[in-house]
Amino acid sequence: EDQVTQSPEALRLQEGESSSLNCSYTVSGLRGLFWYRQDPGKGPEFLFTLYSAGEEKEKERLKATLTKKESFLHITAPKPEDSATYLCAAVGGGSNYKLTFGKGTLLTVNP
Amino acid sequence: DAGITQSPRHKVTETGTPVTLRCHQTENHRYMYWYRQDPGHGLRLIHYSYGVKDTDKGEVSDGYSVSRSKTEDFLLTLESATSSQTSVYFCATGQGNYEQYFGPGTRLTVT
Repeated sequence: EDQVTQSPEALRLQEGESSSLNCSYTVSGLRGLFWYRQDPGKGPEFLFTLYSAGEEKEKERLKATLTKKESFLHITAPKPEDSATYLCAAVGGGSNYKLTFGKGTLLTVNP
Repeated sequence: DAGITQSPRHKVTETGTPVTLRCHQTENHRYMYWYRQDPGHGLRLIHYSYGVKDTDKGEVSDGYSVSRSKTEDFLLTLESATSSQTSVYFCATGQGNYEQYFGPGTRLTVT
């Protein structure tokens, strides 16, 4: 059974204080690892797809990386508007296009 | 933004009544999904569709049915709503690259 675990559950940072969110996955035949951002009362917003170990993707202050067992979402010099819940999901070769989601990390950036 | 709309956006209903939620997409994506999101559980797949009239169950399908008669529309029906089905429901769509794009959600309260 595919599993995705995110840590920490919640993270509070000061503006400008860089940090990383972790996503550990157990998926047979990884086909893709996905990061989403979710604001309160809204649907998840797609951020990145990573397909193979060693791959990196960047968008503004966010950088996602992938190893064979986990993915990191690095946040550099965060701003208050980066506050949101960040979700990680994975899909394996036997999953028939169904994603397995982690429970998310609630990030709060204080000014 | 995959051009996904959900209706209604909010609904309050009584236990035992039938409820239908609608998802409409304008991107001609092949795959469509229904999820529910609850505190402590994250996003859980209810049902999904891999083409017109082709559907399959997700991990929490009991008490729910779906139909897809057109590419653009995916309906989720609660035949007899229960209080345990109070949740936020999200529709998502995707193509062959495994990425999924989410709608704005429907908040359903069963009293």
